[in-house]
Amino acid sequence: EPEVTQTPSHQVTQMGQEVILRCVPISNHLYFYWYRQILGQKVEFLVSFYNNEISEKSEIFDDQFSVERPDGSNFTLKIRSTKLEDSAMYFCASSDLTQGITYEQYFGPGTRLTVT
Amino acid sequence: AQSVTQLDSHVSVSEGTPVLLRCNYSSSYSPSLFWYVQHPNKGLQLLLKYTSAATLVKGINGFEAEFKKSETSFHLTKPSAHMSDAAEYFCVVSDRDSGAGSYQLTFGKGTKLSVIP
Repeated sequence: EPEVTQTPSHQVTQMGQEVILRCVPISNHLYFYWYRQILGQKVEFLVSFYNNEISEKSEIFDDQFSVERPDGSNFTLKIRSTKLEDSAMYFCASSDLTQGITYEQYFGPGTRLTVT
Repeated sequence: AQSVTQLDSHVSVSEGTPVLLRCNYSSSYSPSLFWYVQHPNKGLQLLLKYTSAATLVKGINGFEAEFKKSETSFHLTKPSAHMSDAAEYFCVVSDRDSGAGSYQLTFGKGTKLSVIP
């Protein structure tokens, strides 16, 4: 069964450093998403991406964040200058488009980002 | 705006007894509702979904949920708990008429289910 994959599974970085989290969505999906879950808190929406541009973004997704689909398979989330409060589990998701309606989102296993 | 309230942060049941995980939602539009499960150190797996078809939805591993518009509820049930059901469960809502083409999911805080042998 096709699945969303994410690398790395765990990333440790120093405050102020740039990080890139990578995702490979399910191959025929058209919508891509990033969510994050700070330890002990809710899963929160960050951004959605369709047709090579951002569809929606939350207040969390400020100028420090960017997303890119550099080729036909990868979807990346970049944090330019990490802060301690960026420490979280980051989930990538993708969904299909059926008859004009997007359906359930399939999630990857997550990347745990630790900022020290 | 959409929101989800999971009424219990932790539920503990004995193996073989019924499971009830409660969820209430708020949505401006016709919502899609989902239950996701997260096992320790694993990703989020879809259990079941409601998207305006039958109000009683059957999912994987024997789980069911009933959409009750009058009560704005979408409780998750299972007749008989198994040890492997121990995990965290998230009730999720998505406004299907968000207008932006993509469907931002709003998660509840999660309910941790413990199953006692």
